[in-house]
Amino acid sequence: GQQVKQSSPSLTVQEGGISILNCDYENDMFDYFAWYKKYPDNSPTLLISVRSNVDKREDGRLTVFLNKSGKHFSLHITASQPEDTAVYLCAAGEGNEKITFGAGTKLTIKP
Amino acid sequence: GPKVLQIPSHQIIDMGQMVTLNCDPVSNHLYFYWYKQILGQQMEFLVNFYNGKVMEKSKLFKDQFSVERPDGSYFTLKIQPTALEDSAVYFCASSPLGSAETLYFGSGTRLTVL
Repeated sequence: GQQVKQSSPSLTVQEGGISILNCDYENDMFDYFAWYKKYPDNSPTLLISVRSNVDKREDGRLTVFLNKSGKHFSLHITASQPEDTAVYLCAAGEGNEKITFGAGTKLTIKP
Repeated sequence: GPKVLQIPSHQIIDMGQMVTLNCDPVSNHLYFYWYKQILGQQMEFLVNFYNGKVMEKSKLFKDQFSVERPDGSYFTLKIQPTALEDSAVYFCASSPLGSAETLYFGSGTRLTVL
């Protein structure tokens, strides 16, 4: 089964609003959680990541929330802008072993 | 920022032929990876490579697959012979120290097997 799941294939948010992207995982041993951004025909680029010793990390307009008991993490993008329109991939891993990706959520920011 | 280059971006070949996908990793990186993404599905780990050896491979890394990085040249994924189910986008990644936080991806090679 899928170890990392993004249940929403797409999300549309009005410009200026908060975009909330969600990810669920199955493996209790995962201790690394990340969000990647991907434009069409381009490379996935790491946006923000956390290790399991924290439950929240902020970087500018981006915040990652980690809920280990619920095996869930999310990405919040405040003041969403049209250039935030992209596919967002969540990823998780154990230690420095291979990371496992979700299928992605296509985020569209409407002007 | 650091760039991983993948050449070519698209490749079309006939089933049964051999194909080599090329990856030019970031110059001081020591760990190399291949991921496979079938259309509409998630990127899945194939293999990682360090110090001239395969460190870990998934069940998707069939016997027909091989990887190598001759000194100073591309990190390659060879498929011989190809099958229809090998059609996918293949992403290469590299990392200086093998940590997940320092993984850089290429933009992928779309392989179509006819």
